[in-house]
Amino acid sequence: DVKVTQSSRYLVKRTGEKVFLECVQDMDHENMFWYRQDPGLGLRLIYFSYDVKMKEKGDIPEGYSVSREKKERFSLILESASTNQTSMYLCATFAGSNQPQHFGDGTRLSIL
Amino acid sequence: AQKVTQAQTEISVVEKEDVTLDCVYETRDTTYYLFWYKQPPSGELVFLIRRNSFDEQNEISGRYSWNFQKSTSSFNFTITASQVVDSAVYFCALSAGDNYGQNFVFGPGTRLSVLP
Repeated sequence: DVKVTQSSRYLVKRTGEKVFLECVQDMDHENMFWYRQDPGLGLRLIYFSYDVKMKEKGDIPEGYSVSREKKERFSLILESASTNQTSMYLCATFAGSNQPQHFGDGTRLSIL
Repeated sequence: AQKVTQAQTEISVVEKEDVTLDCVYETRDTTYYLFWYKQPPSGELVFLIRRNSFDEQNEISGRYSWNFQKSTSSFNFTITASQVVDSAVYFCALSAGDNYGQNFVFGPGTRLSVLP
């Protein structure tokens, strides 16, 4: 089975802090994704990466950046956290467009 | 552009009732894939099923069944004899286009509550 591990289930940070969310997968998949999930809005794609050091903006990249230095690890960075970034963040990986995405357990991030 | 609509925001049923979750999709691609995911209260998204655009056979897995109809662009999900453990948010998703995944689109989800 694919294993996608997110570093924290719950995280509380303060406005203006730099926040790192880490995601590690064990299936050697090239494609990795970061989504945020908000009530009534479903899943919205923030960034994705299709290879090491490669990244593409999703639908809502503003206020976020990403890092993919190793194939198995994809990090989401909130450069200066704001309260409107309080959300559930989900990392996913998949092998190709005809395959399902596999998700981590999610990180519930609260920005105070 | 791809789009997935799940018109039912929330559904409540009593245990042992049957329930159908609707999913309508839009795409111009002739080759595409449809998915259903379950998100229990614990938060993780669990993959349930994948269906490609060339296979319109319905599928049954235990109490779960899926009805794919290209003529109406629908991929509906039915739970028979629902149980409390079925309470979750269910997402329908569509994947089309290139291999990079930016065309992997999720619907807004349907929250199902099964009452004892």
